[in-house]
Amino acid sequence: GAGVSQTPSNKVTEKGKYVELRCDPISGHTALYWYRQSLGQGPEFLIYFQGTGAADDSGLPNDRFFAVRPEGSVSTLKIQRTERGDSAVYLCASSLAGGEQFFGPGTRLTVL
Amino acid sequence: KQEVTQIPAALSVPEGENLVLNCSFTDSAIYNLQWFRQDPGKGLTSLLLIQSSQREQTSGRLNASLDKSSGRSTLYIAASQPGDSATYLCAVRPNGNTPLVFGKGTRLSVIA
Repeated sequence: GAGVSQTPSNKVTEKGKYVELRCDPISGHTALYWYRQSLGQGPEFLIYFQGTGAADDSGLPNDRFFAVRPEGSVSTLKIQRTERGDSAVYLCASSLAGGEQFFGPGTRLTVL
Repeated sequence: KQEVTQIPAALSVPEGENLVLNCSFTDSAIYNLQWFRQDPGKGLTSLLLIQSSQREQTSGRLNASLDKSSGRSTLYIAASQPGDSATYLCAVRPNGNTPLVFGKGTRLSVIA
């Protein structure tokens, strides 16, 4: 098995545009997490899925951010009306329920 | 609210030296604690995971200890090598179904 994969690896967009970031978890992992890491900081939690449903979305900074996991596998993080402050590395992790989290390589988002 | 602090923020040592990285957390009620390595521009690689009932874990030249009552963990790296240069992140999991809470990391440079 492959590890967690994320696409694209880099995304450059203009302020106000819409972006989608994709995460493919490890096969069979029921839990999926999104984190955001700004320069010089540790990752910060955004949203957590258990299966298809968002078990905890308390880390989403505002309603411009939304994530889905319609079939309980691949997840997409969606950001509307991007702002320069959204620039960061977006990390995805997956795990078995309550198990060790395995991280993907991240997507570096730059909003110009 | 759980907070994780890592000291020092940066460390530079000569090759061959043994070193200790420190992590402290404010709430001792944790499920587990993980140490990660992050290379520049890359994702997170899990190094060691310590369950709340454990006192330490070892992998090769790495040893991590956990003292829940005092809210501390240390990562010991023996005989450091230039290839150990990276940022080391500590993260705690408050319970089995919650996301990780990260520190800001310690940036390690091992000089040949």
